[in-house]
Amino acid sequence: GQNIDQPTEMTATEGAIVQINCTYQTSGFNGLFWYQQHAGEAPTFLSYNVLDGLEEKGRFSSFLSRSKGYSYLLLKELQMKDSASYLCAANAGNMLTFGGGTRLMVKP
Amino acid sequence: SAVISQKPSRDICQRGTSLTIQCQVDSQVTMMFWYRQQPGQSLTLIATANQGSEATYESGFVIDKFPISRPNLTFSTLTVSNMSPEDSSIYLCSVEGVGGEGELFFGEGSRLTVL
Repeated sequence: GQNIDQPTEMTATEGAIVQINCTYQTSGFNGLFWYQQHAGEAPTFLSYNVLDGLEEKGRFSSFLSRSKGYSYLLLKELQMKDSASYLCAANAGNMLTFGGGTRLMVKP
Repeated sequence: SAVISQKPSRDICQRGTSLTIQCQVDSQVTMMFWYRQQPGQSLTLIATANQGSEATYESGFVIDKFPISRPNLTFSTLTVSNMSPEDSSIYLCSVEGVGGEGELFFGEGSRLTVL
């Protein structure tokens, strides 16, 4: 079966850096998505990693290690508006399996 | 990116009734996906809707409870039948991006509360 794990909640300070980890166990793994979901809104796409390594998109970066079944999302220069849930999702067998989401609270 | 409209955005329903959620996409897509997001939890795929064929349901979801229609390439409906309080959830329609990285685009969801 598929298993995706990520922390339930994290708290960080405005202006700081936070790393949200995600571990996965899947068969037929193709890649790893990260989505952001603000309360009461639909999830929006942040990144997709297929190959090992770090991909940077502005303040957000995502890392993947296929051999370790591990990914992280790195958020720099945190802003209050970054308070949201962050969902990792493994693309395996042409199907997306979502983790439980990490609720990030950014404090002043 | 795709623009996805869902309605109703929210509803309060009585136990035992059924409600149909509509999903309209601004472009033709092969597959449309229906997800459920229960309070405080992540997204669970209910079924994949293909135009011209029966929907494919994931483990734990059955057609009698969640009938789906897909009459054309831009529209789908999901019905939640014989509702109980356990069906209180957000139901999201989604489609794959075209020419992108295979990411999903989501509608804004339909928040159902069953009393």
